[in-house]
Amino acid sequence: QQQVKQSPQSLIVQKGGISIINCAYENTAFDYFPWYQQFPGKGPALLIAIRPDVSEKKEGRFTISFNKSAKQFSLHIMDSQPGDSATYFCAASGGSARQLTFGSGTQLTVLP
Amino acid sequence: EAQVTQNPRYLITVTGKKLTVTCSQNMNHEYMSWYRQDPGLGLRQIYYSMNVEVTDKGDVPEGYKVSRKEKRNFPLILESPSPNQTSLYFCASRITGGVEQFFGPGTRLTVL
Repeated sequence: QQQVKQSPQSLIVQKGGISIINCAYENTAFDYFPWYQQFPGKGPALLIAIRPDVSEKKEGRFTISFNKSAKQFSLHIMDSQPGDSATYFCAASGGSARQLTFGSGTQLTVLP
Repeated sequence: EAQVTQNPRYLITVTGKKLTVTCSQNMNHEYMSWYRQDPGLGLRQIYYSMNVEVTDKGDVPEGYKVSRKEKRNFPLILESPSPNQTSLYFCASRITGGVEQFFGPGTRLTVL
């Protein structure tokens, strides 16, 4: 049973456009929601993260929006660039062991 | 340079031939973990270790073994690999109580 559901599976946007990736979770014990970025041939790397006490976090062109009541969070990439082309994973963790549960991933392609 | 290393990066083997994938980190992290990445399924945790000599099952432990005899090393052992273990494997580490996991570059395993 997938505890973190991610959509879409793939996304193609034009350079300068906005990329939006959505995730939904079920476990209310989750208290940390990171996004990881993975380039081909590389391991995932932390991009941005949020805790449920805030509804939005922005770092440069990347913004996480968080809706605690709906148990949903999303990643917005403003002014998308070809260099943003990668696979993006949302994740969630909580509890004493703080295991990460990942979404299924979104392959983003930004066309020049 | 702070990093997680994995060896080998690529491996093709046959059903039933025991293999070990090594993982080493130089950041003095207590927590280490193994994931497998499959298309449409994201990253799923195989095993994790909170510290030396402390290991526990993740979501998909069947067919895998691990050991944690030293803080820096966390090898993944497949004693009798099967084709359904063909996947991309990642090792990761973090400090105890930390939230960011640092991933290795991945090992692509093919079992024929």
